[in-house]
Amino acid sequence: GAVVSQHPSRVICKSGTSVKIECRSLDFQATTMFWYRQFPKQSLMLMATSNEGSKATYEQGVEKDKFLINHASLTLSTLTVTSAHPEDSSFYICSATDLDRSNTEAFFGQGTRLTVV
Amino acid sequence: GENVEQHPSTLSVQEGDSAVIKCTYSDSASNYFPWYKQELGKRPQLIIDIRSNVGEKKDQRIAVTLNKTAKHFSLHITETQPEDSAVYFCAAPLGGNYGGSQGNLIFGKGTKLSVKP
Repeated sequence: GAVVSQHPSRVICKSGTSVKIECRSLDFQATTMFWYRQFPKQSLMLMATSNEGSKATYEQGVEKDKFLINHASLTLSTLTVTSAHPEDSSFYICSATDLDRSNTEAFFGQGTRLTVV
Repeated sequence: GENVEQHPSTLSVQEGDSAVIKCTYSDSASNYFPWYKQELGKRPQLIIDIRSNVGEKKDQRIAVTLNKTAKHFSLHITETQPEDSAVYFCAAPLGGNYGGSQGNLIFGKGTKLSVKP
């Protein structure tokens, strides 16, 4: 199947610093990517839709100034957690859909475990 | 928007027994219903999906049924094995109609399946 790669897989940062997470579609182009957050023992919660060449669409309750999304190319979307705080510690995961495939399965990156200390 | 409810939250079965997980959705326009399996700390993996133009789909020990009138769909796993132990999530499209750039999924809260040898 299509491959979505996410980097880094784990990151520990100090409170107040910013962290950038990359999501790449390795063998297909993705005009749209999706960012989810998953707290321990909870479901995946959609944070935002990343649109290539335009502004991201954020879900209700997600601060756009805190979670900066950039989708500068058809294969790369980045999520930057700005001024991170311990409550931002979570598992962040992206997904993308290969528009050229007949079955529009959503492929997920391997996720990023963020720990803010 | 779409709302997805999933039951049960935990399910324990003996090896060889069947397991059934149920989900309901709210948007009658929704046309795509995937099921994902997520092992601890890993990315969700699609195990089966169904579109609204069929009522049932089967893949070896896994099947999904869809009742559009009642707006619910179920995952059936037969002859369960210990390696089936994981968290299972159902999902439905946020905007109802799923396809390409509209691939943002709303997930159920998940079911932790434990298969005892």
